[in-house]
Amino acid sequence: QQPVQSPQAVILREGEDAVINCSSSKALYSVHWYRQKHGEAPVFLMILLKGGEQKGHEKISASFNEKKQQSSLYLTASQLSYSGTYFCGTGDGGNKLVFGAGTILRVKS
Amino acid sequence: SQTIHQWPATLVQPVGSPLSLECTVEGTSNPNLYWYRQAAGRGLQLLFYSVGIGQISSEVPQNLSASRPQDRQFILSSKKLLLSDSGFYLCAWSRTYEQYFGPGTRLTVT
Repeated sequence: QQPVQSPQAVILREGEDAVINCSSSKALYSVHWYRQKHGEAPVFLMILLKGGEQKGHEKISASFNEKKQQSSLYLTASQLSYSGTYFCGTGDGGNKLVFGAGTILRVKS
Repeated sequence: SQTIHQWPATLVQPVGSPLSLECTVEGTSNPNLYWYRQAAGRGLQLLFYSVGIGQISSEVPQNLSASRPQDRQFILSSKKLLLSDSGFYLCAWSRTYEQYFGPGTRLTVT
């Protein structure tokens, strides 16, 4: 079952904050976040594991609510370089991930 | 450190022609390997994954096949390409839970 990402697209000005959500109907063991720039491969941002701590990476952090099977990616003080498509991938503890449809983020100057 | 390679980077093939895409990983042993396809403006669709030499799991019935002849080599093949096979093909590897993607092959079937 593909996780649902929201919003589908968001436009920000530099310095503004954004939240991208990822929701699954299945019990999750892990949530993975990636950013993909146009024409390039997805780049791994972070992973959140069941029972683990909230992760952070520079001004990008994420949370994982295991009971609600939801994860959120927080981008604070956005920069032009944050533009791209963000994907969440969900895992049940096995070898596979199922990816959401993606959230397009555009940061304007 | 680990590195993942894919080639070719771009490919234009006529309908009905064969296909062979190659992926190799350096700097790790016994990785899990994955093939994904991404249609234009869409998400990532898992095609095949492998947990060891000769072990292939297929996720989507189609005219593609995969093989893993060596520990760090993963090959995606087709005997006859369809127009619908066009897309961005991504190979990924993992050792624990994180998956890391290669640079991808952009395939256009004409």
